[in-house]
Amino acid sequence: GQNIDQPTEMTATEGAIVQINCTYQTSGFNGLFWYQQHAGEAPTFLSYNVLDGLEEKGRFSSFLSRSKGYSYLLLKELQMKDSASYLCAVRLNSGYALNFGKGTSLLVTP
Amino acid sequence: SAVISQKPSRDICQRGTSLTIQCQVDSQVTMMFWYRQQPGQSLTLIATANQGSEATYESGFVIDKFPISRPNLTFSTLTVSNMSPEDSSIYLCSVVRGSDYEQYFGPGTRLTVT
Repeated sequence: GQNIDQPTEMTATEGAIVQINCTYQTSGFNGLFWYQQHAGEAPTFLSYNVLDGLEEKGRFSSFLSRSKGYSYLLLKELQMKDSASYLCAVRLNSGYALNFGKGTSLLVTP
Repeated sequence: SAVISQKPSRDICQRGTSLTIQCQVDSQVTMMFWYRQQPGQSLTLIATANQGSEATYESGFVIDKFPISRPNLTFSTLTVSNMSPEDSSIYLCSVVRGSDYEQYFGPGTRLTVT
């Protein structure tokens, strides 16, 4: 089966850095995605990793280690608007569909 | 990116009835999917909508309950049949376009079954 784990909730301070971890055990792997979802809205794409290493995109970075089944999303210079749910998702070899973790609810405080 | 619209955006339905949700994309896409997001939960894949053939359903989802159509490369429908309160959820259409790796999501349809 598929198992994707991430913390349920995290709290961080405005201006700080936060790292959201995701571990996965899946039968097949063809990429790991991070999405941001604000309450009542659709998920929006943040990052994609298919090879090991760090992908940086502005304030957001994502890291992948395939041998460890591990990824993290790093958010720098946190802003209040970053308060949202962050979803880790794995694409399997069998197709383009995504298997999502339960999401991490991030609260940014002043 | 792909612009995806869904109709209706929300609905309140009575137990035992059916609702058809439409997904329209502004350009041709390779793959279309339907996901469900139950209250406070993450996204669960219902099925892959295949153009011109029967959808491919995930474990726990069946065609009689969630019939899906995809008549062309820009449009799909999902019907939630014989609804019960447990079907109250957000239903999201998602697409992959060409060789893109990114998967885009529609705004979702918020369904409440009473």
